[in-house]
Amino acid sequence: DVKVTQSSRYLVKRTGEKVFLECVQDMDHENMFWYRQDPGLGLRLIYFSYDVKMKEKGDIPEGYSVSREKKERFSLILESASTNQTSMYLCASSPKGRQGPNGYTFGSGTRLTVV
Amino acid sequence: LAKTTQPISMDSYEGQEVNITCSHNNIATNDYITWYQQFPSQGPRFIIQGYKTKVTNEVASLFIPADRKSSTLSLPRVSLSDTAVYYCLVGDGALSGSARQLTFGSGTQLTVLP
Repeated sequence: DVKVTQSSRYLVKRTGEKVFLECVQDMDHENMFWYRQDPGLGLRLIYFSYDVKMKEKGDIPEGYSVSREKKERFSLILESASTNQTSMYLCASSPKGRQGPNGYTFGSGTRLTVV
Repeated sequence: LAKTTQPISMDSYEGQEVNITCSHNNIATNDYITWYQQFPSQGPRFIIQGYKTKVTNEVASLFIPADRKSSTLSLPRVSLSDTAVYYCLVGDGALSGSARQLTFGSGTQLTVLP
C-alpha cells in the first residue's frame, strides 16, 4: 500500500527549540507539501517542493523552512518554535503535473504542541 | 486560484443519500474538481475527482454541470462511519515557477445520525 509517512504522531517541544518534522513517501512523487491545520481555518499551505532541492513558499511560510535533499523526503523546520505554531502538521505528495489520478496523498499528521 | 464555497455542516441519518454542493464560480479551463474526506486526527483522503459531467466510483458520485461553476458530491446510503469533514478543491495542481497550489477551505462537517 503506497503511503506518506510522518515520523511522529505527537510531539511536545519547548519555546525556542529548533524542531524538525520529517515526511517520507514511497510513491516516487515529484511534488511534496507541508500544511498546517487549525480549528476553523482548514488546511493552510506552508511550503511545497516540486523537485529535489526546489522549494516554494505557500500561504504561511513565516517561521518555517524546508529541506528536500532526496526525492522521497521533505522536512519541515521550525527554526525557533513558538506557541502559535502549536498545530496539526500534514505532509502530502502528488505526481508531477496535474493532480494525478488520485490527487494528493496525505500522511496521518503530526500534532505538535509548543509549551 | 479558484475559491470554493461549501456548507459548514450537514446532518443526515443512516441509510440516506447525502449531497454536498460546492460553488466555484471562477473555475479555470484547466481546473479539476477533487473531493477529500478527513476523519479526526488523520490526513485527508482522496474520494473522487472530475472535470465535467458525472463521475462515479465505488465510494461516491460527482456531478458537475455544464458551466462547471459548482459540483455536487453524492454519498449513497451513508453510515455512521461516513461522519467526517469533506473538502472540495479546485485546481490543476500544475507546478511551474510560482504556480499556486490547491487550497483547502474549511470543508463541510457531515454528521451521520443513527
